Amino acid sequence: DAGVIQSPRHEVTEMGQEVTLRCKPISGHDYLFWYRQTMMRGLELLIYFNNNVPIDDSGMPEDRFSAKMPNASFSTLKIQPSEPRDSAVYFCASSFGRNIQYFGAGTRLSVL
Amino acid sequence: GEDVEQSLFLSVREGDSSVINCTYTDSSSTYLYWYKQEPGAGLQLLTYIFSNMDMKQDQRLTVLLNKKDKHLSLRIADTQTGDSAIYFCAEMGNSGYALNFGKGTSLLVTP
Repeated sequence: DAGVIQSPRHEVTEMGQEVTLRCKPISGHDYLFWYRQTMMRGLELLIYFNNNVPIDDSGMPEDRFSAKMPNASFSTLKIQPSEPRDSAVYFCASSFGRNIQYFGAGTRLSVL
Repeated sequence: GEDVEQSLFLSVREGDSSVINCTYTDSSSTYLYWYKQEPGAGLQLLTYIFSNMDMKQDQRLTVLLNKKDKHLSLRIADTQTGDSAIYFCAEMGNSGYALNFGKGTSLLVTP
């Protein structure tokens, strides 16, 4: 298996623009997680899905952030409008049940 | 949420042993993990331990768990320059599915 695949690897955008991050989990995994990594706050959970259904979105910073999982092999995290404080590395991870979470390589987002 | 604490930096010489420490506060933690992050890369699972275990050894890696003190450590034997990275301790509580991470320990291995 190719592992968790995230795209793009790097994204540079201007404040106010819409940003969409993409994730393909490992085939057969039923949990998908979105984390954000910043220097100040470390790794934080934003949201996670079970069988494509959002279970806990309490970590989503504000209404500008939204996440979807239309099918078992694809998820998106959207920020609209983006702000400079959204600059971070966004990781997607997947797992089978409460087992090991496997992480993608991340998307480094810079909002100017 | 519950806290996971790690020291920020550790420097060792090549060939020495490295010990990275972690403390956590959630007494219901059932799984504890060590992840490694190299520059510009994602998180790679190194090893994990169940809360009913005291020790786990996997080649050069030894994990020790003191559940009473809520203390977890990762020992890397014969540390190599390729081990230079950030090491994250993470715990999963009894009722949750998400991981709660420490801020990471940056390990520098010098020749």
